Amino acid sequence: EPEVTQTPSHQVTQMGQEVILRCVPISNHLYFYWYRQILGQKVEFLVSFYNNEISEKSEIFDDQFSVERPDGSNFTLKIRSTKLEDSAMYFCASAPEREYEQYFGPGTRLTVT
Amino acid sequence: AQSVAQPEDQVNVAEGNPLTVKCTYSVSGNPYLFWYVQYPNRGLQFLLKYITGDNLVKGSYGFEAEFNKSQTSFHLKKPSALVSDSALYFCAVRDRGNTPLVFGKGTRLSVIA
Repeated sequence: EPEVTQTPSHQVTQMGQEVILRCVPISNHLYFYWYRQILGQKVEFLVSFYNNEISEKSEIFDDQFSVERPDGSNFTLKIRSTKLEDSAMYFCASAPEREYEQYFGPGTRLTVT
Repeated sequence: AQSVAQPEDQVNVAEGNPLTVKCTYSVSGNPYLFWYVQYPNRGLQFLLKYITGDNLVKGSYGFEAEFNKSQTSFHLKKPSALVSDSALYFCAVRDRGNTPLVFGKGTRLSVIA
């Protein structure tokens, strides 16, 4: 069964550094998402992406964040200058159509020190 | 604004007994409702969804959920719990006109042998 994959599984970085989290969505899916889950808290929506552009973003997704689908398979989330409060589990998700269920990857645990 | 409430942080049930994990929601339009399960160090796995049609929906691993419009609830149920069902369960909702999922805070289910 096709799965969403994410790399790395765990990333440790120093405050102020740039990080790129990578995701490979399910191949025939058209809609892509990033969510994050701070330890012990709710899963929160960050951004949705369709047709090579952002379709919606939350208040969390400020100028420090960007997303890209550089080669038709990978879907990346970049944080330009990480802050301590960016430490969280970041989940990528994809869906074949906008109204279908979203399929989540295993997550990348980002630790900012 | 959309919201989801999962009133129980923890549900304990004996193996073989029926289980219920509660969820209530608030949306402006007609809801799309979802249940996801998260095992330790894993991503969110889709269990089931309600879009339209029968109020009782069946999903993976013997789980089902009942949509109750008057009570704005979407409780997750299983007739006979297994130890392997022990995990974190998330209810999620989206407005039909909207893309992002809004998650509840999660309910930890513990099934005791």
